[in-house]
Amino acid sequence: SQTIHQWPATLVQPVGSPLSLECTVEGTSNPNLYWYRQAAGRGLQLLFYSVGIGQISSEVPQNLSASRPQDRQFILSSKKLLLSDSGFYLCAWSLPSGTGIFSGNTIYFGEGSWLTVV
Amino acid sequence: GIQVEQSPPDLILQEGANSTLRCNFSDSVNNLQWFHQNPWGQLINLFYIPSGTKQNGRLSATTVATERYSLLYISSSQTTDSGVYFCAAGRGDNYGQNFVFGPGTRLSVLP
Repeated sequence: SQTIHQWPATLVQPVGSPLSLECTVEGTSNPNLYWYRQAAGRGLQLLFYSVGIGQISSEVPQNLSASRPQDRQFILSSKKLLLSDSGFYLCAWSLPSGTGIFSGNTIYFGEGSWLTVV
Repeated sequence: GIQVEQSPPDLILQEGANSTLRCNFSDSVNNLQWFHQNPWGQLINLFYIPSGTKQNGRLSATTVATERYSLLYISSSQTTDSGVYFCAAGRGDNYGQNFVFGPGTRLSVLP
């Protein structure tokens, strides 16, 4: 079965420090991968998505970046964090439409990472 | 792009009560999903339902794609049903950028 893991689960970082959140998917190949952010009390905002190794698309311009060095690994980074970067970050995966037993882009989320920038 | 609205924004129920959550979307979609976010933040996929009706235990969902809405029914609610329910809609393809989340309905089930 497919599983998704992301870490760390919680993180408290000072303003201006770097960030690295990592996500891995197991049990599938060539998944679509996503990073979402959820500000306190609000909905989910898509930050980045990737359809393959080295292929990253950004939805929201900001000081965050994403990389996909391996097929099932997705990393969210920042060189210098801002206070406004605080939030709950979720990694997710899906398969392309019509692939295997999944229909459409059924999307599955990791456990999430709570980031507090102080 | 697609816009997704949910109602009501907040809902408080007594344990055992039934409820209906609504999701409206602004454009034709072939991908509609319901999620439950528990108090610890974990998002669980409840239904993939671009059209028709599905049931899973005390939960069921109906999507009327031609009228651009979906409903999530919760029967005999339990305190463990508390959390935020999100609807997400999109035009499924190889890319996720058309998959938009609604603002959510925050459900509190009281014992």
